[in-house]
Amino acid sequence: EAGVTQFPSHSVIEKGQTVTLRCDPISGHDNLYWYRRVMGKEIKFLLHFVKESKQDESGMPNNRFLAERTGGTYSTLKVQPAELEDSGVYFCASSQGLSYNSPLHFGNGTRLTVT
Amino acid sequence: DAKTTQPNSMESNEEEPVHLPCNHSTISGTDYIHWYRQLPSQGPEYVIHGLTSNVNNRMASLAIAEDRKSSTLILHRATLRDAAVYYCILSWNFGNEKLTFGTGTRLTIIP
Repeated sequence: EAGVTQFPSHSVIEKGQTVTLRCDPISGHDNLYWYRRVMGKEIKFLLHFVKESKQDESGMPNNRFLAERTGGTYSTLKVQPAELEDSGVYFCASSQGLSYNSPLHFGNGTRLTVT
Repeated sequence: DAKTTQPNSMESNEEEPVHLPCNHSTISGTDYIHWYRQLPSQGPEYVIHGLTSNVNNRMASLAIAEDRKSSTLILHRATLRDAAVYYCILSWNFGNEKLTFGTGTRLTIIP
């Protein structure tokens, strides 16, 4: 079975530019999550989709971040405009069931550097 | 939120068992205990989870104390590939889907 795939693996952009990260979950997984680790900090939850619906976006830092999951398949996370503090590694994860009792399968992340 | 406490780092010799401890004295009756690990340059990887009873899978065993205030992840025979940061995470039932990653335990395997 193919794992969770994230594109790109690395992205370097200038402050003020826009970047879109993509996540392809494991086929059949209705639950999709975004997490991120900024430099020197712990991995933090950003949001949770069930199919195409946002169930919890309480971890989104501000309105410069927009996540979508059209059709309930792949998801995108857009940062517009990017700021220096957005640098970090963005992880996507998917699961069949809910995370409290089901394994989350994580991708290898997108390393975002804002200069 | 119930919190977990883990040692910052541990070392173990290759091919020996490893016992990674986790304290969670404020755990509630509905909290599941999860273990994830993160190898260098990779995303977190699920290891094992349980509620009350000890659990075994192909990767590891999870031993849960009778009062559930602590648990131990057991790697039966450590290999160099097991060098990673191990996270002990509590998650509760429906309604809160956030996994809270702490600082974890950095496990070093000595050849």
